[in-house]
Amino acid sequence: EVQLVESGGGLVQPGGSLRLSCAASGFPFSSFWMHWVRQVPGRGLVWVSRINIDGSGTTYADSVKGRFTISRDNAKNTLYLQMNSLRAEDTAVYYCARDHYGQATLWGQGTMVTVSS
Amino acid sequence: QSALTQPASVSGSPGQSITISCTGTSSDVGAYNYVSWYQQHPGKAPKLIIYDVTNRSSGISNRFSGSKSVNTASLTISGLQAEDEADYYCSSYTGRGTVFGGGTKLTV
Repeated sequence: EVQLVESGGGLVQPGGSLRLSCAASGFPFSSFWMHWVRQVPGRGLVWVSRINIDGSGTTYADSVKGRFTISRDNAKNTLYLQMNSLRAEDTAVYYCARDHYGQATLWGQGTMVTVSS
Repeated sequence: QSALTQPASVSGSPGQSITISCTGTSSDVGAYNYVSWYQQHPGKAPKLIIYDVTNRSSGISNRFSGSKSVNTASLTISGLQAEDEADYYCSSYTGRGTVFGGGTKLTV
């Protein structure tokens, strides 16, 4: 089955760190660029970051640049999002998604990140 | 990068047709034919329905269609059904990343 499964979400204090993972299966993960997208419950989708097939190229939304790092391990079919210096406004459901020319064509179920003291 | 502009809400009766607009700029929607549409039911992950402006995703009904004119993309749903009630989002490639619309709540 073609799917993406996120994990690693949870409650973290402001200023803390968290690493999200996204396990891919059912398709050639190493052949696809990948995204992270987030959504505050009840609000809209916001693009966070994108990575190319070998991890050598990454882009970020201005709101997370310098604090978040996207990476991947093609041997493990896994995408990561390292989130540092977390703020209350980073609280959201985080989705990983498979890319097709900048479009998110396959989505995981999401993992909730709550930044609160 | 500013979000693409969508109407906050649209409504229609079963069997009718509706169109949701998605307005961007010459740097995103107007620059690339990489516009997509997503359907999201409450508590669920978004689901791709249209990609590359006009292409339906696998398994999506032909009641859903997409188009684009200059800087505005549109999603049309014909023959509205109760299960179409959901939030709809557009997105566009920007050359360095992706931008989403603010979302439109469809009430049937």
